[in-house]
Amino acid sequence: AQKITQTQPGMFVQEKEAVTLDCTYDTSDPSYGLFWYKQPSSGEMIFLIYQGSYDQQNATEGRYSLNFQKARKSANLVISASQLGDSAMYFCAMREGRTGNTPLVFGKGTRLSVIA
Amino acid sequence: GAVVSQHPSWVICKSGTSVKIECRSLDFQATTMFWYRQFPKQSLMLMATSNEGSKATYEQGVEKDKFLINHASLTLSTLTVTSAHPEDSSFYICSASWGPHNSPLHFGNGTRLTVT
Repeated sequence: AQKITQTQPGMFVQEKEAVTLDCTYDTSDPSYGLFWYKQPSSGEMIFLIYQGSYDQQNATEGRYSLNFQKARKSANLVISASQLGDSAMYFCAMREGRTGNTPLVFGKGTRLSVIA
Repeated sequence: GAVVSQHPSWVICKSGTSVKIECRSLDFQATTMFWYRQFPKQSLMLMATSNEGSKATYEQGVEKDKFLINHASLTLSTLTVTSAHPEDSSFYICSASWGPHNSPLHFGNGTRLTVT
């Protein structure tokens, strides 16, 4: 079974508008972390934001915020005031457990295109 | 911040030859490194987990004799694709764990392998 599900293969957003990228996850481990990465066409993986399973508040990092709904097992990424440079692939990922030596498991990604 | 250097950025090799990809953590010690493979327009798939001084743990379906991983020091892990074939053409990307479970993985910039 897929642990990370991103149901939007592609999304379009007008410049300066906000956009929400969906992510749902599946785990039985009470300790886990959720991450969002951006991958531009160059291929590098850019870390955007992190949400821990025990965090009480939604994470925010500049224009990025994470809408964490634990009961629904969703961790949607919200990008506010979209910019042309935001056009890229976005991956939601999860890390289970409380050690630093477990890998990230990625969703299939969402390709975001920002339109001028 | 934590930096991971991956080399080479791209390589073209003939079928049947071997290719070595290096992944270095530049300013931190990485006890664990992860190797991912990404086919065009797909997500990152974990190939193996590499722990310093011990044998790598391979994911199901990944041939350990074909993808040799060595993690000889706390700052260097290598992936060797042996007897490469065109179907091995892909984007290979390494990442390193530098901290606790809530710290993001830091990724190298990836290696684009083309086997002719």
